[in-house]
Amino acid sequence: DTEVTQTPKHLVMGMTNKKSLKCEQHMGHRAMYWYKQKAKKPPELMFVYSYEKLSINESVPSRFSPECPNSSLLNLHLHALQPEDSALYLCASSQDGPYEQYFGPGTRLTVT
Amino acid sequence: AQSVTQLGSHVSVSEGALVLLRCNYSSSVPPYLFWYVQYPNQGLQLLLKYTSAATLVKGINGFEAEFKKSETSFHLTKPSAHMSDAAEYFCAVAGGGNKLTFGTGTQLKVEL
Repeated sequence: DTEVTQTPKHLVMGMTNKKSLKCEQHMGHRAMYWYKQKAKKPPELMFVYSYEKLSINESVPSRFSPECPNSSLLNLHLHALQPEDSALYLCASSQDGPYEQYFGPGTRLTVT
Repeated sequence: AQSVTQLGSHVSVSEGALVLLRCNYSSSVPPYLFWYVQYPNQGLQLLLKYTSAATLVKGINGFEAEFKKSETSFHLTKPSAHMSDAAEYFCAVAGGGNKLTFGTGTQLKVEL
């Protein structure tokens, strides 16, 4: 099974709201990722968790807060977002190291 | 540091014709290379990977790619295009750690 699941599929939120995106994998992968993707662009890496510890933060604004509760779950907490944060947010997982990453279907986020 | 360059942001082929999507890489260490496909409003799906075993790599949906160190290339091919191949294709390189570096993508259009 190479499935990564993400919820919700779509999310509309106001600039004062707090919401969370969720990601789950059951492949035994020990690295998990959050990406942001704008239309017609490649995914941009936001965060990497390795063995449930944050290993890479690509200078993401603090209104995005990641959390890795266990080796199968990854959350992205959102607060006080801006309209320019509207994008497709992708979760991925892999074995720890330079290996292929498996992506979820994404959450389409719209900030109004 | 690693990087990939995808030549041609848009490629158009006739159904049944050869598909050739170009990717050149730069890496300071032996690279791991990947091709991903993305259909509209979906996540990225792994097509194939090169991890220093065979230089000719076969993937899903009839795609293959050949690693050529002398040309620093990893071009994606398919002998006969199908309408269902219309999508965005991303080449990516991993040279160490957990980071994937993506190319800017190639939009493949398949015409009747």
